[in-house]
Amino acid sequence: ETGVTQTPRHLVMGMTNKKSLKCEQHLGHNAMYWYKQSAKKPLELMFVYNFKEQTENNSVPSRFSPECPNSSHLFLHLHTLQPEDSALYLCASSSRGRVGANTQYFGPGTRLTVL
Amino acid sequence: AQSVTQLGSHVSVSEGALVLLRCNYSSSVPPYLFWYVQYPNQGLQLLLKYTSAATLVKGINGFEAEFKKSETSFHLTKPSAHMSDAAEYFCALMPGGYQKVTFGTGTKLQVIP
Repeated sequence: ETGVTQTPRHLVMGMTNKKSLKCEQHLGHNAMYWYKQSAKKPLELMFVYNFKEQTENNSVPSRFSPECPNSSHLFLHLHTLQPEDSALYLCASSSRGRVGANTQYFGPGTRLTVL
Repeated sequence: AQSVTQLGSHVSVSEGALVLLRCNYSSSVPPYLFWYVQYPNQGLQLLLKYTSAATLVKGINGFEAEFKKSETSFHLTKPSAHMSDAAEYFCALMPGGYQKVTFGTGTKLQVIP
């Protein structure tokens, strides 16, 4: 595997379900990100992890719970979601520290539908 | 405050015609600028980036962009559109080359045969 991978690619869940999205980067990066992409809205940064530590949470509802066990893996745990949470969830990774080395590389995304 | 404005949410060009996608930015510090492309049901793929070196940046698939500080612009061009260029294109700004990125709202490019 190369680059950034995400599983599953598609997910349909009910409002009472609990599910998790997984992201893995094979680029040797040390920063990882979750973004939400909804129709007709700009890309929204949700969370940032640097060296496994969460450094940014953009006022994301608690029904989204991120986890970063190491620099290569990032999870987004979902529970009691709302229909308006249906979107494409994108994971990205980058190097951290050296100015200009922070280009973000994206995974293919998980298309989430909440019924 | 940092911002990115992409003029035109939809752009249509004929196959073989010039592609011009516009991006203007606002940044209080020297910006790093990016163009990404997104094909349907896929993630964002980096096309090119400006990181304070040469102002004319060449990317993949024949695209290039020119950083113009006086105009606060970073427009994306390609001399001859191909059907496979049909996608959504996002301009992004990273102030000072540090971590946080601001994305534009995207421009959908349609290529007409």
